[in-house]
Amino acid sequence: AQTVTQSQPEMSVQEAETVTLSCTYDTSESDYYLFWYKQPPSRQMILVIRQEAYKQQNATENRFSVNFQKAAKSFSLKISDSQLGDAAMYFCAYRSAVSNTGKLIFGQGTTLQVKP
Amino acid sequence: GAGVSQSPRYKVAKRGQDVALRCDPISGHVSLFWYQQALGQGPEFLTYFQNEAQLDKSGLPSDRFFAERPEGSVSTLKIQRTQQEDSAVYLCASSPRRDRFLGEQFFGPGTRLTVL
Repeated sequence: AQTVTQSQPEMSVQEAETVTLSCTYDTSESDYYLFWYKQPPSRQMILVIRQEAYKQQNATENRFSVNFQKAAKSFSLKISDSQLGDAAMYFCAYRSAVSNTGKLIFGQGTTLQVKP
Repeated sequence: GAGVSQSPRYKVAKRGQDVALRCDPISGHVSLFWYQQALGQGPEFLTYFQNEAQLDKSGLPSDRFFAERPEGSVSTLKIQRTQQEDSAVYLCASSPRRDRFLGEQFFGPGTRLTVL
């Protein structure tokens, strides 16, 4: 079974600075997808960024980028120029490309605090 | 257009009561997922529908949990004889595609269930 681990329960960053959230996963599959989701206090989960395992190039979305290390099974999220609106809980998630259900397997989450 | 909606947003039940939680997915979305999120934890998969067919219910924690999507749109998650350990936020997500390269999952705001 696949597992996702986020070892940082809480992180804080100064506004305008850069922060990196860590995620590791375990799988025996070679084809899969990885995601970072943001969950603000209102609780609606929003997709931040996704990465296909077969792509070597790291995904980027504006101020958000990932460092995908397939051999190490590591998938960290870097937030540049942090803004107050980035404060939220962040979840790393895995989805198999083999299973037809498409269910997401989430990590435990990292609460990000942004200090003005 | 409207996103995924869930009702009620909050539900308080006495232990032993039955509850029904509703999810209205984005119109036209084929895939629908239910997740359970305990306080301070990541969501955990409960069940998956493709149109009206329930293709995966491996995450349902007991036979007290039942989900349906009879016309392939609105879904209801029913919990019979609620127990205190059922207290959690129940998230619904929908996705536009049905093949194994499933599209992004769009999440609703969740229903917070508290069992006294």
